[in-house]
Amino acid sequence: AQSVTQPDIHITVSEGASLELRCNYSYGATPYLFWYVQSPGQGLQLLLKYFSGDTLVQGIKGFEAEFKRSQSSFNLRKPSVHWSDAAEYFCAVGATGRRALTFGSGTRLQVQP
Amino acid sequence: DGGITQSPKYLFRKEGQNVTLSCEQNLNHDAMYWYRQDPGQGLRLIYYSQIVNDFQKGDIAEGYSVSREKKESFPLTVTSAQKNPTAFYLCASSMGQGAGAGELFFGEGSRLTVL
Repeated sequence: AQSVTQPDIHITVSEGASLELRCNYSYGATPYLFWYVQSPGQGLQLLLKYFSGDTLVQGIKGFEAEFKRSQSSFNLRKPSVHWSDAAEYFCAVGATGRRALTFGSGTRLQVQP
Repeated sequence: DGGITQSPKYLFRKEGQNVTLSCEQNLNHDAMYWYRQDPGQGLRLIYYSQIVNDFQKGDIAEGYSVSREKKESFPLTVTSAQKNPTAFYLCASSMGQGAGAGELFFGEGSRLTVL
């Protein structure tokens, strides 16, 4: 069965600092990978997705993620964090023929001024 | 604007009562989903539907029921059999029937609290 692990439950960074959120997946074939962001009490918004091709994908709000097959990882990065980036971030994995996306448990990001 | 509308946003229920959460989409998507979100547990799949008049159980279907009589609607009923129904419920949809690979579009969620 496919699974997603986000090892960091909570991360605090200073505004302007760089950010990396970790995501590891377990799946036999090449998965489809997603990062979503959720503000408190809201639904989820897609930041970026990887289906195939270039392993470095760009998303909205200045985020990027890199697919590393050898490490089964899809880490999310941002070079300079803004206070408005404070939210919860979810990594998700899917694949053709699967019934639905599988989500990680999320990483809550706090941004200090 | 196209999107997914969930209602109500907040709902309070007494123990032993059934409640129904509404989910409507105007994206013309084939597939629709219900997820439950609890703190620290991410999103867990309750039910999904890839086509009208068909739906399948997800990982935590016990105590829940759904219907899919129209393409745009996928209501979720939380029954009295659900032992711990207090949670945030998210409805989502995706294009096509290759559901497990597609990008999900989410509603704003419904928070259910059992008193």
